[in-house]
Amino acid sequence: KNEVEQSPQNLTAQEGEFITINCSYSVGISALHWLQQHPGGGIVSLFMLSSGKKKHGRLIATINIQEKHSSLHITASHPRDSAVYICAVSGSARQLTFGSGTQLTVLP
Amino acid sequence: DGGITQSPKYLFRKEGQNVTLSCEQNLNHDAMYWYRQDPGQGLRLIYYSQIVNDFQKGDIAEGYSVSREKKESFPLTVTSAQKNPTAFYLCASSTQAGNTIYFGEGSWLTVV
Repeated sequence: KNEVEQSPQNLTAQEGEFITINCSYSVGISALHWLQQHPGGGIVSLFMLSSGKKKHGRLIATINIQEKHSSLHITASHPRDSAVYICAVSGSARQLTFGSGTQLTVLP
Repeated sequence: DGGITQSPKYLFRKEGQNVTLSCEQNLNHDAMYWYRQDPGQGLRLIYYSQIVNDFQKGDIAEGYSVSREKKESFPLTVTSAQKNPTAFYLCASSTQAGNTIYFGEGSWLTVV
């Protein structure tokens, strides 16, 4: 079993829909990261969470430490949100363990 | 603007050749990392360095080598010992606390 599991693997939505991507992990962590990877391959860090909730524009990330679960929400989705979203966790050694990513496609 | 620069973006290698991927950062970050990404898989750690002149093997270090002679630079050499080197390679850097991690644009390596 992978240490970091994301669901769904693929997600297609219509523009304007509310989107949720889930991440579950099986190890103790010091922080959880949500990353965005565009088709060219470059990766951008969206959030780093150790507890609670963070919001940036239309993106919201939550984490439940007891349940070892995090969600990334996108409100009012737009085609430019189409990308791969990656969950990663860091442990005591601060090394990141990555999920395999969720491919999001938002149709106009 | 600060950031990480990887080069080249695309690289073709003949079997038996060593190739070196460049990674430079001007963020004054102590920690630097090299990851490999294969289709349908998460990023896997090849090597990392927390400080100049020191580096550690990651999960898949066999067939790779690195150096960290300067804080700004962390080049990765893919040696002929790496049996399946065709992949996407990402360099990253972070502060020692790991609060924020920055990634380069990546390098596509293809063995021909």
